[in-house]
Amino acid sequence: AQSVTQLGSHVSVSEGALVLLRCNYSSSVPPYLFWYVQYPNQGLQLLLKYTTGATLVKGINGFEAEFKKSETSFHLTKPSAHMSDAAEYFCAVSDRNNFNKFYFGSGTKLNVKP
Amino acid sequence: DTGVSQNPRHKITKRGQNVTFRCDPISEHNRLYWYRQTLGQGPEFLTYFQNEAQLEKSRLLSDRFSAERPKGSFSTLEIQRTEQGDSAMYLCASSATGGPYEQYFGPGTRLTVT
Repeated sequence: AQSVTQLGSHVSVSEGALVLLRCNYSSSVPPYLFWYVQYPNQGLQLLLKYTTGATLVKGINGFEAEFKKSETSFHLTKPSAHMSDAAEYFCAVSDRNNFNKFYFGSGTKLNVKP
Repeated sequence: DTGVSQNPRHKITKRGQNVTFRCDPISEHNRLYWYRQTLGQGPEFLTYFQNEAQLEKSRLLSDRFSAERPKGSFSTLEIQRTEQGDSAMYLCASSATGGPYEQYFGPGTRLTVT
């Protein structure tokens, strides 16, 4: 089974600072990769995904992520944090031979300080 | 596209009682998924349907849990003889056939077993 590790359960940045949220997966075969955001009392919203092609993917709200096979990573970044980015972020992966089953990391709560 | 809806949003029940949750997926989506999310954790896969067929079940889905999607549209998740350990957020998601497609999540049903 896949294992997804999100380093840092809580990350705090100042408004305008770089956001970096880390995600590593365990499989030797690169999976499909996703980032979701969850605001309080709401469901998960897709930020971006990587399935094939260009390894730098852009998502909504100015977020982007880069798939690095050699590092088994898919870190999420945003150049300049906004107060509205405060939420919990989840990295998810699915196997290429069974892409219906998502494996999620334990999440990173992002706090944005004014 | 009205999104994935779930009812009820909150359910408080006493240990030993049965509960049933409903999920209405995005209308054109053939695949429907159930996940469970406990505090401080990411969602964990429970089961998924393609149309009315239940194609995969996690070992997390004990005999007390049953999911149905009788007409390939909405789905229900029933928990019999609830235990305090069943307290969690139950998330439903849907996706289009084919793939790998992202899963669209509903707002969840929060279950509290007292």
